[in-house]
Amino acid sequence: QQQVRQSPQSLTVWEGETAILNCSYENSAFDYFPWYQQFPGEGPALLISILSVSNKKEDGRFTIFFNKREKKLSLHIADSQPGDSATYFCAASANYGNEKITFGAGTKLTIKP
Amino acid sequence: GALVYQYPRRTICKSGTSMRMECQAVGFQATSVAWYRQSPQKTFELIALSTVNSAIKYEQNFTQEKFPISHPNLSFSSMTVLNAYLEDRGLYLCGAREGANTLYFGAGTRLSVL
Repeated sequence: QQQVRQSPQSLTVWEGETAILNCSYENSAFDYFPWYQQFPGEGPALLISILSVSNKKEDGRFTIFFNKREKKLSLHIADSQPGDSATYFCAASANYGNEKITFGAGTKLTIKP
Repeated sequence: GALVYQYPRRTICKSGTSMRMECQAVGFQATSVAWYRQSPQKTFELIALSTVNSAIKYEQNFTQEKFPISHPNLSFSSMTVLNAYLEDRGLYLCGAREGANTLYFGAGTRLSVL
């Protein structure tokens, strides 16, 4: 079964708007949640990550909001740019990242200029 | 900075033949290497996790007999796809990390099977 779920499957927003990508998980043992950004023809690159002891993590225009009780998290991309167009993968692992990383199916984000 | 190189980037093999792909970590010590397969239908499937000085752990549906992996030192790993068939097509990704640090991915080896 899918342990990490992402929605929507694809998302289009206008340049300058905030894109919101959602993720949920089932395994209560997950405590490390990285988000990866992947451009066509390239491997996934770590964008930002959060540990379950936090409920928010910011890095520039990228913010993760985390709700441990509901097992949900979201990635907010503020002031979105055309260069942010990519597929974003939510991932999770246990033991502060020492265990294997499980990926969601991804959200394909398109930013319209 | 930390980089992971994979080669070849693309390869085509005939059905029933085998191909080997390599992964090189630069700028850090790859104490663990995870091999994934990415396909449109199944997103990222973990094939196996290799940690130096430990046995390689294969995930369900993947075996050493089909995907033998070598991780001889802290900078290099290789994986072979034996007797490749259409269902083995996809982008094979090598993810390497030093300890519990960030998992860095290479650009992948795209395997096509004729």
